[in-house]
Amino acid sequence: AIRITQSPSSLSASTGDRVTITCRASQGISSYLAWYQQKPGKAPKLLIYAASTLQSGVPSRFSGSGSGTDFTLTISCLQSEDFATYYCQQYYSYPGVFGQGTKLEIK
Amino acid sequence: QVQLQQWGAGLLKPSETLSLTCAVYGGSFSGYYWSWIRQPPGKGLEWIGEINHSGSTNYNPSLKSRVTISVDTSKNQFSLKLSSVTAADTAVYYCARGRITMVRGVIRPLSAFDIWGQGTMVTVSS
Repeated sequence: AIRITQSPSSLSASTGDRVTITCRASQGISSYLAWYQQKPGKAPKLLIYAASTLQSGVPSRFSGSGSGTDFTLTISCLQSEDFATYYCQQYYSYPGVFGQGTKLEIK
Repeated sequence: QVQLQQWGAGLLKPSETLSLTCAVYGGSFSGYYWSWIRQPPGKGLEWIGEINHSGSTNYNPSLKSRVTISVDTSKNQFSLKLSSVTAADTAVYYCARGRITMVRGVIRPLSAFDIWGQGTMVTVSS
């Protein structure tokens, strides 16, 4: 099975900052990668699919890049509502593995 | 506006069978793959398996021997059964819709999940 390594596991930042989260796949997954945001007690929310395509309704300060094995999620100009946990997910092959998560906290 | 509403027993004893159902409201049921995903308390997400409207299924190998996912197209519902549960199966269970991804004119199974149910906390305890 493909392994996904997500980093960092936690991150402290301030509103207005630019942050980057990384996922690395153990083998090439083309662009079959998604990013999710999850807030406490809520279901995950799809932010980006196909590595770089913004889901409808998601603010443009979120962006994704990468292909093959290395991927990044960038949030430019953090807003208060962005403090949450972020997960990546590969859907190139079964099982659809998620990264371990990155908890984004207020500095 | 497509919505997923899920329900099922929240407290089980070891060795019992977990049973959850997810209903799809406000949109098409066919053409999509419908998944179950779980999240143990304080931990990450684990994909359990998926089904389409025709009943074609795919399961996570780590759970395959204990999982059955079924579909009732007359009600736009799909269900999860997980047998022989232990404390390690304690988690929030989510149902979710896979986005349609076309590859050479064919709907590709396993996708990003664009719509999620509200989640059901299932606790396994004696």
